[in-house]
Amino acid sequence: DTGVSQDPRHKITKRGQNVTFRCDPISEHNRLYWYRQTLGQGPEFLTYFQNEAQLEKSRLLSDRFSAERPKGSFSTLEIQRTEQGDSAMYLCASSLLQGQTQYFGPGTRLLVL
Amino acid sequence: DAKTTQPPSMDCAEGRAANLPCNHSTISGNEYVYWYRQIHSQGPQYIIHGLKNNETNEMASLIITEDRKSSTLILPHATLRDTAVYYCIVRSTIQGAQKLVFGQGTRLTINP
Repeated sequence: DTGVSQDPRHKITKRGQNVTFRCDPISEHNRLYWYRQTLGQGPEFLTYFQNEAQLEKSRLLSDRFSAERPKGSFSTLEIQRTEQGDSAMYLCASSLLQGQTQYFGPGTRLLVL
Repeated sequence: DAKTTQPPSMDCAEGRAANLPCNHSTISGNEYVYWYRQIHSQGPQYIIHGLKNNETNEMASLIITEDRKSSTLILPHATLRDTAVYYCIVRSTIQGAQKLVFGQGTRLTINP
């Protein structure tokens, strides 16, 4: 059973550029979650999917953020017009069923210059 | 989800048992206690979870008090690789309560 994978692991971009991150969940996990973690803080929930449906979005997910999971497998998180405040670790997790344990990927560390 | 309170930091000698406390005095009947840890620059790693009874797996033991208002994660023989931030999370499993709410966690340092 391969774990959750994320790509890229690191991304440096200039302010105003768009970035896209990918998450591949554990095979057959139908729930997929995105979290963000800034330095010194615990992860904060952004959004989650059940299969291809996006069921909940945090207020942290501004208009510049969009997440998709078109075929119910991998997911992408796009940030448009990046700002320095978007610099953080973006974490993806997946779980098999409602209420089941979430397993996290290694994260994508974003630095906006 | 209920809030949790953990000490910000702890130290433990290598080879000894590390006991990490967590207070969750407002926990409700349908909420589980989950423990994750995060080693520097990695994603959180699931350790263990429980509802009422004590639980043990290959990584750790979880002791939950009878009133469920607090719990202790026990790493029986700590190694240097156990140095990490440990998060205690109370999570409901009812419909619509899907997210994990992380606090600041406990930074555990294992000393040689």
